[in-house]
Amino acid sequence: KNEVEQSPQNLTAQEGEFITINCSYSVGISALHWLQQHPGGGIVSLFMLSSGKKKHGRLIATINIQEKHSSLHITASHPRDSAVYICAVTRETSGSRLTFGEGTQLTVNP
Amino acid sequence: NAGVTQTPKFQVLKTGQSMTLQCAQDMNHEYMSWYRQDPGMGLRLIHYSVGAGITDQGEVPNGYNVSRSTTEDFPLRLLSAAPSQTSVYFCASSYSGQLGYTFGSGTRLTVV
Repeated sequence: KNEVEQSPQNLTAQEGEFITINCSYSVGISALHWLQQHPGGGIVSLFMLSSGKKKHGRLIATINIQEKHSSLHITASHPRDSAVYICAVTRETSGSRLTFGEGTQLTVNP
Repeated sequence: NAGVTQTPKFQVLKTGQSMTLQCAQDMNHEYMSWYRQDPGMGLRLIHYSVGAGITDQGEVPNGYNVSRSTTEDFPLRLLSAAPSQTSVYFCASSYSGQLGYTFGSGTRLTVV
């Protein structure tokens, strides 16, 4: 079993819909990261969380440390949000090393 | 622009050839790392460094070497390329794992 699990693996939505991507982890962490990767493109860091909630534009990330679960929400989704969203954690015992989920492929149709 | 610069963006190698993927950052980040990304497997750590002169192995180090002679540069060497090393490679850096990561734009490597 992977230490970081994401769901769903694939998600198709209509423009304007509210989207949720989930991430569960099974190890102690010092931080959780949400990353975005566009087709053929590089990887961009969206959020880094150690507790609570963060918001940037239409993106919201939450984390529940007790339940070892994080969610990434996209409000009023747009076709330009189509990308792979990757959850990664920095484990308590491994310094700055990242452990990644397999990613969620999001497609937003107009 | 500040960030992580990876070169080359694309490379085709023949089996047995060697090459070096370059990674440089200008943000004075102590932590640098190399990952490979393969379909269905997510990103996997190859090697990492917590500072100049210090390197360590990640999950999939076999067939790769690294060195960190300066804070800025962290090259990845393929000693004798194999088709199994066909992948997309990303370099990333961070001041510390608590302050977020900056990724390079990736190198798409094909070994034939």
